[in-house]
Amino acid sequence: AQSVTQPDIHITVSEGASLELRCNYSYGATPYLFWYVQSPGQGLQLLLKYFSGDTLVQGIKGFEAEFKRSQSSFNLRKPSVHWSDAAEYFCAVGPPWGNTPLVFGKGTRLSVIA
Amino acid sequence: DGGITQSPKYLFRKEGQNVTLSCEQNLNHDAMYWYRQDPGQGLRLIYYSQIVNDFQKGDIAEGYSVSREKKESFPLTVTSAQKNPTAFYLCASGREINTGELFFGEGSRLTVL
Repeated sequence: AQSVTQPDIHITVSEGASLELRCNYSYGATPYLFWYVQSPGQGLQLLLKYFSGDTLVQGIKGFEAEFKRSQSSFNLRKPSVHWSDAAEYFCAVGPPWGNTPLVFGKGTRLSVIA
Repeated sequence: DGGITQSPKYLFRKEGQNVTLSCEQNLNHDAMYWYRQDPGQGLRLIYYSQIVNDFQKGDIAEGYSVSREKKESFPLTVTSAQKNPTAFYLCASGREINTGELFFGEGSRLTVL
């Protein structure tokens, strides 16, 4: 069965520092891959998605993610974190065929300190 | 303005009572979903619907029920059979079941006393 692992439950970074959030997936083939962000008490918003093609994907709010097939990973990065980036981040996968909903990881909570 | 509206935002109920959470979308999306979110558990799928008058169980459907009588609406009933109903509930919609972006409502927080 497909699964998504986000190894880091909570990460703290200083404002202006770079950020990398890890995501590993288990799948029989290359899935569709997504990153979502959730502010406290709110719904989720799509940051970026990968379907095929260029393995480096650009998203909103200055985020990017790189798909690495050999490592079954889809890590999220940002070169310089802003205090407003503090939120929870979810990686999700979906099959490129059939009618099966996305599977979400358990999330990584990002704290930003001055 | 297009989007998803969940109501109520906060709900308190006594144990043993059924509760219905509303979810309405005006995005003309075919697919709709209900997720439950608990701290440290991520999002767990309760039910989803790909088309009107059809829905499927997700990973944690026990103690919940849904209906999809209209394309715009996908209400969730938390029944008294749900053993631990206190949680944050998120509704989402999408053009297709897995290839498109999911649009989420702002959530409903249910507390059972």
